[in-house]
Amino acid sequence: DTAVSQTPKYLVTQMGNDKSIKCEQNLGHDTMYWYKQDSKKFLKIMFSYNNKELIINETVPNRFSPKSPDKAHLNLHINSLELGDSAVYFCASSQDPQGLVSDNEQFFGPGTRLTVL
Amino acid sequence: KQEVTQIPAALSVPEGENLVLNCSFTDSAIYNLQWFRQDPGKGLTSLLLIQSSQREQTSGRLNASLDKSSGRSTLYIAASQPGDSATYLCAANQFYFGTGTSLTVIP
Repeated sequence: DTAVSQTPKYLVTQMGNDKSIKCEQNLGHDTMYWYKQDSKKFLKIMFSYNNKELIINETVPNRFSPKSPDKAHLNLHINSLELGDSAVYFCASSQDPQGLVSDNEQFFGPGTRLTVL
Repeated sequence: KQEVTQIPAALSVPEGENLVLNCSFTDSAIYNLQWFRQDPGKGLTSLLLIQSSQREQTSGRLNASLDKSSGRSTLYIAASQPGDSATYLCAANQFYFGTGTSLTVIP
């Protein structure tokens, strides 16, 4: 009965490869997010989707492409992986992206540790 | 856009002590602030969410306050325990995160 799940938990790959990370939430939320946590533990928003539509796209290289087949899923595809992409990637969900609802608690997945060699 | 700061970066206290963690944000047009804990190698666990219309929220030994005019939120932990050892993160307006405070509670 995991609320937000991600696969895989660990991903080790060579530079130049293409990889995907999957995320699913069973909370019935309308909004999902991808974050990157660097080696200094700083958490930075990458993308946000609301009802399958992209609403936030921070300064992320276009090698990163999110895909939302439905409200419960938000996958992250990364092309031509670089050494600097090594990080922990977190998926999260909440009901609303702008706090327009009163209970807008955000829930996180367990993270995917990506290592690019 | 919010800039969020957490000071100190690390804190070490003896078991049983009450403590306060600080979170500062730059834009008073804040609609919510959420506190999380992160254990090593794990995801983020939600602790408390404060809406802009609220001044504080409580859960067990935790109390979080929000002062929009001064751009500050505090997380108060009463009677700290070794199990409270973790990194505590605050997030303003959903996705602007601070750099975290690493808390160690010494038995």
